[in-house]
Amino acid sequence: DAKTTQPPSMDCAEGRAANLPCNHSTISGNEYVYWYRQIHSQGPQYIIHGLKNNETNEMASLIITEDRKSSTLILPHATLRDTAVYYCIVRSENTGNQFYFGTGTSLTVIP
Amino acid sequence: NAGVTQTPKFRILKIGQSMTLQCTQDMNHNYMYWYRQDPGMGLKLIYYSVGAGITDKGEVPNGYNVSRSTTEDFPLRLELAAPSQTSVYFCASHLAGGAYEQYFGPGTRLTVT
Repeated sequence: DAKTTQPPSMDCAEGRAANLPCNHSTISGNEYVYWYRQIHSQGPQYIIHGLKNNETNEMASLIITEDRKSSTLILPHATLRDTAVYYCIVRSENTGNQFYFGTGTSLTVIP
Repeated sequence: NAGVTQTPKFRILKIGQSMTLQCTQDMNHNYMYWYRQDPGMGLKLIYYSVGAGITDKGEVPNGYNVSRSTTEDFPLRLELAAPSQTSVYFCASHLAGGAYEQYFGPGTRLTVT
């Protein structure tokens, strides 16, 4: 199973782009990269996912490097409500499509 | 749609007691999951189910049991509560195939003393 590595914490100024990195150097060809976030003690919330192409939705953009060993989640205009723990997860069909959550990155958006 | 609902929200158990955490989803999702989250940590998978009548172990199944008799319900049973089971428990579900976008419930905060 591919493991992920994320910085434990980051700060971002309100209104600026937040770029959250994730390393998944052992990812294999059929494994997807997912991002979730958890605000306070709520249940995690899905943000975005991708296989090898960059993806964008109304919440964020996901940039995956060509060798797929790392990715970056981009929140284009961070707001105070984006303060949360962000989890980068690799989903493998080889393990019954289980999601392995690490400890994530605690993002603080500063006014 | 209510989404994923969990009961109770909070519970305090004494060591050795038993209880069932309830999880229900009204989205007709095939897949359902139980996770636990210890303070300052990420979520760890306890059990999951790919459909009614089918369950499988996750990373940390010891001390827990599950059943899946209907598509909607996925209860988690603690038989002999231990202090190590003090945690927040989250239930999640999603459709088979597609994006595998998991929808999470609000969680049950359990304390075993």
